[in-house]
Amino acid sequence: QKEVEQNSGPLSVPEGAIASLNCTYSDRGSQSFFWYRQYSGKSPELIMFIYSNGDKEDGRFTAQLNKASQYVSLLIRDSQPSDSATYLCAVNRYSSASKIIFGSGTRLSIRP
Amino acid sequence: DAGVTQSPTHLIKTRGQHVTLRCSPISGHKSVSWYQQVLGQGPQFIFQYYEKEERGRGNFPDRFSARQFPNYSSELNVNALLLGDSALYLCASSFEEGGNDGYTFGSGTRLTVV
Repeated sequence: QKEVEQNSGPLSVPEGAIASLNCTYSDRGSQSFFWYRQYSGKSPELIMFIYSNGDKEDGRFTAQLNKASQYVSLLIRDSQPSDSATYLCAVNRYSSASKIIFGSGTRLSIRP
Repeated sequence: DAGVTQSPTHLIKTRGQHVTLRCSPISGHKSVSWYQQVLGQGPQFIFQYYEKEERGRGNFPDRFSARQFPNYSSELNVNALLLGDSALYLCASSFEEGGNDGYTFGSGTRLTVV
């Protein structure tokens, strides 16, 4: 079992719709969770982080965390073509020398 | 303010050679981490340094080594290069040791081993 799992996609969503990206993690000791966006040929860019169960909203983005289910999600409302990218889920595992572990990413394509 | 800077941006090396990659963190950031990203995969953790001490090491062979300098810049060294070492090498910095505030990545060094 991978430590952080994501559906590789591609996930195709029409412009203006809600894109939903999901991530599961295996280490129950994980305490902080991150979503990064990576455009092709570029480095990852931090979008949001979340520590507590529930929802956290920032503009068009909402991160959701359910520690009991070991599940993290990212919702993108009013999807724009510029949102087309690979979205990386990452978790910080304090239980093991404190390092951030990434999933393999989900490719999102917003179709006009 | 300057972000995380990495050098060089691109590099071509021959199998068996040695390479040194460099990273300067954001001013005030004391934690530096190195990642390897192969096309189509997420970044794989290599090392984390904080206050010049190694705080974490990923599942990479001993050919990989790193260090952090008093000014918090860092070097990643790879010996005896293999074709499989071809990848994008990313450096990330954070203010907090554990990266709880989130990492900021540099633009990366694209290493090609031929």
